[in-house]
Amino acid sequence: EVQLVESGGGLVKPGGSLSLSCAASGFTFSGYNMNWVRQAPGKGLEWVSSISSGSGYIYYADSLKGRFTISRDSAGDSLYLHMNSLRAEDTAVYFCARGDRFSGFDYWGQGTLVTVSS
Amino acid sequence: SYELTQPPSVSVSPGQTANITCSGDKLGDKSSCWFQQKPGQSPVLVIYQDTKRPSGIPERFSGSNSGNTATLTISGTQAMDEADYYCQTWDISTGVFGGGTKLTVL
Repeated sequence: EVQLVESGGGLVKPGGSLSLSCAASGFTFSGYNMNWVRQAPGKGLEWVSSISSGSGYIYYADSLKGRFTISRDSAGDSLYLHMNSLRAEDTAVYFCARGDRFSGFDYWGQGTLVTVSS
Repeated sequence: SYELTQPPSVSVSPGQTANITCSGDKLGDKSSCWFQQKPGQSPVLVIYQDTKRPSGIPERFSGSNSGNTATLTISGTQAMDEADYYCQTWDISTGVFGGGTKLTVL
């Protein structure tokens, strides 16, 4: 069974940093592109970042302006998102999702809540 | 930046057909997906590559994409289909979601 389990969310002050993790199981992690998608409270979905199966291709939403870094560890079957210079508008549930333009985002984690507040 | 536009809400009677649209410049030249999200749950992929249905998704869900509009069609809508629906595409290598449509089954 495919499982994606996010962790690392919490309360952080504006300007602070936070790292999220997504533990994958039930599939060959190294063979799939992975993504982060976020959802602000009561709002819609927003694509954050994608990383190819071999980490050779990495893309970010323009709105992030270099503050976020996606990475993956195929040995440990984990996806990461390191977030710097956090702002109130980064407050959201962050989901990891498997897939790409061909498969769609076919599996999602349960999400982890990041709250940026003083 | 590329934008996708969805109606904020659509209402349908049980057993009828619901059509949810998603508009974007030359969207028919891109590949589109649709996601269903119920309150407090993670999104679920219901359509990918414009018309394909993942395993486990009921046949009453179908999709099309032509010109500037992608459409999610739910035939014989059931009460369990009440949810938020999001379209999604790729603008070169950037993912783009529509604003979402709340489907109400009256």
